Parts: sequence; C-alpha cells; structure tokens
Amino acid sequence: DADVTQTPRNRITKTGKRIMLECSQTKGHDRMYWYRQDPGLGLRLIYYSFDVKDINKGEISDGYSVSRQAQAKFSLSLESAIPNQTALYFCATSDSTGSSQPQHFGDGTRLSIL
Amino acid sequence: RKEVEQDPGPFNVPEGATVAFNCTYSNSASQSFFWYRQDCRKEPKLLMSVYSSGNEDGRFTAQLNRASQYISLLIRDSKLSDSATYLCVGRGFGNEKLTFGTGTRLTIIP
Repeated sequence: DADVTQTPRNRITKTGKRIMLECSQTKGHDRMYWYRQDPGLGLRLIYYSFDVKDINKGEISDGYSVSRQAQAKFSLSLESAIPNQTALYFCATSDSTGSSQPQHFGDGTRLSIL
Repeated sequence: RKEVEQDPGPFNVPEGATVAFNCTYSNSASQSFFWYRQDCRKEPKLLMSVYSSGNEDGRFTAQLNRASQYISLLIRDSKLSDSATYLCVGRGFGNEKLTFGTGTRLTIIP
C-alpha cells in the first residue's frame, strides 16, 4: 500500500463546480503539503500544514482552501473551479525533525476543468 | 530570475555514458538541497539529498558549490531506466517551503 494516498486519481469536471481532493498518509508525518504542477512551471506550493491546528498559504493559494481533519488527512478544495486550475496536483508529507528532511509525494490527481 | 534554475534539456545520451547536469539557485540562504526524479505522469521521488561535502550513491554523485550557488548531479554508466526528468530542489533554513526547478529531461538511448 502507498504511504501517501490521493483520491481521486483523475477527475474531469465543469467550470463552477466544487471539488475536493483528498490526501491521507500512513507515514506518521506531521507536515503535509499540496502542490500543483503545470508544464514549464514546475511544482508550486498551494498550502501547507505543520499539524492539525496549523494551516499556511503557499505561493498560489488563491481559489483554493484546505482542511487538516487529522494528522493523517489533508484535503484540498476548489470552491468554484475554473479552467486555469487544470493541472496535476500532488500531496506530500515530511517529518518535522530538521530542515534536511525531504518530502514524500502521493501519486497525484490529474484534474481537468472544462 | 527564478529561485532555482535548470536547463530543461532534453539530454539524449547513449547507454553507458556519463551525464551531468547543473542547477543554480539564487537564494543564498538556502540550506538544504535535493535531487528528485520524476517519471512521465508520475509523482516526484527522492533520488538523493545533497550534502556540502558532496555525496555518492552508487552511480549517482551530487555536489554542492555554495560559493557559486549551484548543485550538480552526475550519473555514471547510464542505464535505460535512468530516463526521467530530474528536479533540483532547495529549501531555506527553518523554511518548510521547498523550491523546485522545472526539471531536466534525460533520455538514455540504447
């Protein structure tokens, strides 16, 4: 079983719809992240959370919201989806012990907004 | 200027050859660096951390040059399975935000 699981893996939806992407992890990490990846732009951070009561905006948080329901779960919502939110979305986790800890990624969610 | 810059490639290299790519970073406060590999339509996976003294993991060698603000990745005796996009990643001290390069695409040719 994957340590970081994202659902759904693929989603096609229409402009204006509300969408939630889920992420759960079994690594026991306290830090979780949401990124989007677009061709030619690399990965960009949307939101991150250091623990259940901590939520922080990343560089491109507009149009998105998150919820850290438990240490193991971090969901990303698009309240009213628009076509330029079409992208590949990744959830990641990391351990809090020191700045040298790498991040571990889920399999990704491919989201298309028509 | 992007915080982390990489040559996007593609690098097309014959099997068995040695290939190297560099990545430059603009934030001198960056403390930690990593190389990730990403296969087409898959998630990034950690290849190796980069230490100040340089480090090696099998056929892979990573170097950090703080004076010139670049990191490098050397792959020796390249295999077909090395074909992927390699992402250069940096992080500042006490800053949980990772900054990703856009990646260098490598194709190993039989």
